[in-house]
Amino acid sequence: EDQVTQSPEALRLQEGESSSLNCSYTVSGLRGLFWYRQDPGKGPEFLFTLYSAGEEKEKERLKATLTKKESFLHITAPKPEDSATYLCAVQAAQGAQKLVFGQGTRLTINP
Amino acid sequence: ETGVTQSPTHLIKTRGQQVTLRCSSQSGHNTVSWYQQALGQGPQFIFQYYREEENGRGNFPPRFSGLQFPNYSSELNVNALELDDSALYLCASSPPGGGYEQYFGPGTRLTVT
Repeated sequence: EDQVTQSPEALRLQEGESSSLNCSYTVSGLRGLFWYRQDPGKGPEFLFTLYSAGEEKEKERLKATLTKKESFLHITAPKPEDSATYLCAVQAAQGAQKLVFGQGTRLTINP
Repeated sequence: ETGVTQSPTHLIKTRGQQVTLRCSSQSGHNTVSWYQQALGQGPQFIFQYYREEENGRGNFPPRFSGLQFPNYSSELNVNALELDDSALYLCASSPPGGGYEQYFGPGTRLTVT
């Protein structure tokens, strides 16, 4: 069974304090790994897709990386507006294009 | 370009009732997926529709059913509502041509009392 575990569950940082969020996964053949940002009471907002180990993607202060067992979302010099829940999901190569999500990391950036 | 839209925004129902949630996919997207998100959890896959046919289903009972229309919009129907059905229901659409990203709507918050 495909599974995603994210850590930590919650993270508080000071503005400008860089850190990383972890996403560990098991999947029967990876089609893609996806990162989303979700603000309270809203739908997830797409950030990145990673397809193969060694791939990296960047967007503003965020950088996502992928290995065969886990992905990291690095946040550099965060700002208060980066506060949100960050969700990781995998999609298996076979079958329906469903996303299997982790429980998310709730990130709070204090000014 | 219009994104994914969902209606209604909020809904309160009584246990045992039936509910229909609606989703309009992003322009040009032909695949629609539905997810249930309980408070503090990640979204759980309910089912997916492609060309008006169900294209995969998660571990949800048959009282969860759906439809996709020729314009790619979709409905999620839930019969015999239970208290545990209280959640945020998310619709996501995907573009044709092998793009695997799913773009989510704002969700419908369902409360069952």
